[in-house]
Amino acid sequence: EAGVTQFPSHSVIEKGQTVTLRCDPISGHDNLYWYRRVMGKEIKFLLHFVKESKQDESGMPNNRFLAERTGGTYSTLKVQPAELEDSGVYFCASSPRVYNSPLHFGNGTRLTVT
Amino acid sequence: AQSVTQLDSQVPVFEEAPVELRCNYSSSVSVYLFWYVQYPNQGLQLLLKYLSGSTLVKGINGFEAEFNKSQTSFHLRKPSVHISDTAEYFCAVKIQGAQKLVFGQGTRLTINP
Repeated sequence: EAGVTQFPSHSVIEKGQTVTLRCDPISGHDNLYWYRRVMGKEIKFLLHFVKESKQDESGMPNNRFLAERTGGTYSTLKVQPAELEDSGVYFCASSPRVYNSPLHFGNGTRLTVT
Repeated sequence: AQSVTQLDSQVPVFEEAPVELRCNYSSSVSVYLFWYVQYPNQGLQLLLKYLSGSTLVKGINGFEAEFNKSQTSFHLRKPSVHISDTAEYFCAVKIQGAQKLVFGQGTRLTINP
């Protein structure tokens, strides 16, 4: 089966610009998660979708971040306007809707805001 | 709130030597425990997990971890490492009944020939 894919793998933008990250989960996985790792720090939870519904968005840093999951398939994470502190690696993960199923992670998108 | 501390940011070892990567957690409620590995230019991959039962958990690639409730630790061990084990290792916890993982800061394991 195809794994979790994220696009782009790298993005370099200037402060104030907008960036949209995309995640395609494994087909049939209802759970979709976004995590972020700021340079050298721990990986932090951003939010969790079940199908198209946001179950938990307690980790979203502020209202410059907007996540969507159209039709319960792929998800996008938009940062508008980007700030320097948004730089980091953004990971997407998916899992089936079975309790304690392991998360399958994508390779991440490395975002650099200059 | 839960937190995870990985005591070593970097661990260099020689090939075929044993290794232990330390992980301590803090939580007022019961948790599940995980170790993930990130090889260069790849995503995170589950190494092993502790949900219940035996406190010694065996994972992929010859790794194992032991859950110690009294010390709130979940250290990862391998008796003999290989060059291919060079990666970053992340300890994580999840509250029972919850969905999100709380990660530690990661430990970069480098293997010297």
